[in-house]
Amino acid sequence: KAGVTQTPRYLIKTRGQQVTLSCSPISGHRSVSWYQQTPGQGLQFLFEYFSETQRNKGNFPGRFSGRQFSNSRSEMNVSTLELGDSALYLCASSLARTSDNEKLFFGSGTQLSVL
Amino acid sequence: GEDVEQSLFLSVREGDSSVINCTYTDSSSTYLYWYKQEPGAGLQLLTYIFSNMDMKQDQRLTVLLNKKDKHLSLRIADTQTGDSAIYFCAEGPKSGGSYIPTFGRGTSLIVHP
Repeated sequence: KAGVTQTPRYLIKTRGQQVTLSCSPISGHRSVSWYQQTPGQGLQFLFEYFSETQRNKGNFPGRFSGRQFSNSRSEMNVSTLELGDSALYLCASSLARTSDNEKLFFGSGTQLSVL
Repeated sequence: GEDVEQSLFLSVREGDSSVINCTYTDSSSTYLYWYKQEPGAGLQLLTYIFSNMDMKQDQRLTVLLNKKDKHLSLRIADTQTGDSAIYFCAEGPKSGGSYIPTFGRGTSLIVHP
């Protein structure tokens, strides 16, 4: 069974640009979550999608958005990039996130550098 | 303060035991997790413990839970250089809330020969 796939692996952008990151979950997994990882802040939750609907959202500005498609693949978009958006963006999938012990399976992440 | 706290670094000698500690704040958390992140990779679930357990052993890994002090630890026996990674403690879910786990900032384990 293939794992969680994130593309691209690395991305370099300049301030003010926008970026779209992609995540393909494990087959059969319907929940996709996104996290931002930085050395200073650790792992910060961005949002979670289930059945094409945003079910949970973290404390990030509206420049960060996402969506999920009918095949459970998800994309996240960051508009008007700032230097502080440089981070590793991780996607995690799980079956349904409706039980107490839903395990998360993470992709390898997209390393975004904003110059 | 943060919901889940961990020390940032731990250095051990190969063959010794490693103990990574974590404190959490939400006593209603049903499960507590340990994830491992190797360089250039995402997080991988190592083990988890149900909140009504005190201890769980899984090969070289031992998880101890002290609910009274809200303290969780991960012991790695016979630590190898391949165990060098960042270890994240996570709690979840919140009672009556979402199923989004809360992660600590991670402990970098450095294993030297």
